[in-house]
Amino acid sequence: GQNIDQPTEMTATEGAIVQINCTYQTSGFNGLFWYQQHAGEAPTFLSYNVLDGLEEKGRFSSFLSRSKGYSYLLLKELQMKDSASYLCAVRDYPNDYKLSFGAGTTVTVRA
Amino acid sequence: SQTIHQWPATLVQPVGSPLSLECTVEGTSNPNLYWYRQAAGRGLQLLFYSVGIGQISSEVPQNLSASRPQDRQFILSSKKLLLSDSGFYLCACHVRDNTNIQYFGAGTRLSVL
Repeated sequence: GQNIDQPTEMTATEGAIVQINCTYQTSGFNGLFWYQQHAGEAPTFLSYNVLDGLEEKGRFSSFLSRSKGYSYLLLKELQMKDSASYLCAVRDYPNDYKLSFGAGTTVTVRA
Repeated sequence: SQTIHQWPATLVQPVGSPLSLECTVEGTSNPNLYWYRQAAGRGLQLLFYSVGIGQISSEVPQNLSASRPQDRQFILSSKKLLLSDSGFYLCACHVRDNTNIQYFGAGTRLSVL
């Protein structure tokens, strides 16, 4: 089975940095994804890691360690619009393209 | 790039009534298609996925069924809705390229009363 854990909630101040951790135990591994979901809306793709290391995209970065079953999403220079739920998802096998999602981390950015 | 259309955006249905939610995709061909459900404050649960016309895989036993009558059309159905079927239903599409990304439609919020 799949077990994907991330914190339920985090709060940070505008302009600050927040790191959202995700640990996973899955029967296989072929990539880890981060999605952002604003309340009442569909998830939107943020990042994809399949090799160890850091992927940077503007204010957002994602890190992966396959040996530790661990990833984090780093949000820098927080803005009020970053208040959302952040979903960690793992693709188990290379051929079926199914994703298993964590429950999501709700980030609240305060002024 | 692909566009995913889902309708309706919101739906209120009585217990025991039938359901039909439609998802259509534009801008790509032969995609993998998915139906997810998200309960309030919860993660996404994969319900069905399809790799081609008429090919449906069910992930969890439930009161729902899915069909793919055309390459870019994916339908979620129920003959008799239960209270527990309430939730946010999302259709997703995976284009078979090297990006490995699933893109989501805007979703349907279903309330069964």
